[in-house]
Amino acid sequence: EAGVTQFPSHSVIEKGQTVTLRCDPISGHDNLYWYRRVMGKEIKFLLHFVKESKQDESGMPNNRFLAERTGGTYSTLKVQPAELEDSGVYFCASSQIGTGYYEQYFGPGTRLTVT
Amino acid sequence: AQSVSQHNHHVILSEAASLELGCNYSYGGTVNLFWYVQYPGQHLQLLLKYFSGDPLVKGIKGFEAEFIKSKFSFNLRKPSVQWSDTAEYFCAVTRKSGGGADGLTFGKGTHLIIQP
Repeated sequence: EAGVTQFPSHSVIEKGQTVTLRCDPISGHDNLYWYRRVMGKEIKFLLHFVKESKQDESGMPNNRFLAERTGGTYSTLKVQPAELEDSGVYFCASSQIGTGYYEQYFGPGTRLTVT
Repeated sequence: AQSVSQHNHHVILSEAASLELGCNYSYGGTVNLFWYVQYPGQHLQLLLKYFSGDPLVKGIKGFEAEFIKSKFSFNLRKPSVQWSDTAEYFCAVTRKSGGGADGLTFGKGTHLIIQP
């Protein structure tokens, strides 16, 4: 079974440009999460989808970030326009839905560099 | 909101040494507790978790952690480390009241280097 995949693995863009990150969760996982790690800092929660609905987007930094999950499968995270402080590694994770805790499986991350 | 503090950012040990990585959390309610590990070039993966019951939990690869409620701590231990334990280790929490699907709150991570 394929794990969580993310594309691209690296992206280098200039300040003011737009970048779209993609996450494909494990098949059948209805929970999808986005996290970000800025260099030297902790991994921070951005938002949580349950199927196609945003369950919690309390961690989104500002309105330059837009996450979508049309059809409840893959998700995209768009940064527009990108700023220098957006540089970091963006992780996606997915888990099953149901009662109790279901382990979050992480993707390899997308390293975003804004110059 | 909850927060997590990991005491050591870099730890260097020799093989066969004992390991203890500190983790403290701050939250007014009850929490679920986790340790994740990221080996070089690999994805983050779950090492162990605590939800309830026995406060001493065992995880993969010989790791264990003890939840001490009075100290708000969840320290990770391994009696004898191996070179292959070189990795970055993250402590994390979620609110128990949030059910099983909350986003994780992570500590800053600890880089562990094991010297042969």
